Amino acid sequence: GAGVSQSPSNKVTEKGKDVELRCDPISGHTALYWYRQSLGQGLEFLIYFQGNSAPDKSGLPSDRFSAERTGGSVSTLTIQRTQQEDSAVYLCASSLMGGSDTQYFGPGTRLTVL
Amino acid sequence: AQSVSQHNHHVILSEAASLELGCNYSYGGTVNLFWYVQYPGQHLQLLLKYFSGDPLVKGIKGFEAEFIKSKFSFNLRKPSVQWSDTAEYFCAVNAIHNQGGKLIFGQGTELSVKP
Repeated sequence: GAGVSQSPSNKVTEKGKDVELRCDPISGHTALYWYRQSLGQGLEFLIYFQGNSAPDKSGLPSDRFSAERTGGSVSTLTIQRTQQEDSAVYLCASSLMGGSDTQYFGPGTRLTVL
Repeated sequence: AQSVSQHNHHVILSEAASLELGCNYSYGGTVNLFWYVQYPGQHLQLLLKYFSGDPLVKGIKGFEAEFIKSKFSFNLRKPSVQWSDTAEYFCAVNAIHNQGGKLIFGQGTELSVKP
């Protein structure tokens, strides 16, 4: 079946602009995660949605970052007033029930802030 | 805060050599442990995982890992590597009781296998 999809695959933006990154999880998966992969920091957790529960936002690096998940499916990660240090690959993952379930990763969105 | 440490940043082996990649974590409670692999140009994918039971876990493509609770370790092994194992390998931990599903990843180990 279809895996996790993310769009766009690449995004180049200018410092100070806002960007939106989209994630379509595997159909039927109730949990959705965002991670960031960058050279200096490795793979970092950003945010976690599980069903209708309040999201775990503990990994968001600043208040410029926000995410929402509409209808328990598609998620959008928004970065406002982008900075050069935001340049990274943003990965989305989903799992069937959350918790310890295996997470399936998408291909990522490579964000470059000039 | 929990952390995961992978000892080797870059490992270079010849085909048929044995592989062991180290992974240590810091967390005193119950954990689930994972190894993910990222082949060049591909998504992160699960190699194997440990939840409970037999501490020796077998995964895909001949990989295995051993959970040693007393050492907080979860080292990845393969008896004989192939050129197609060239990839980046990530160890990850999920601390069950207070972390929901979030994974804490190690820095990754890049494996290069020479044909």
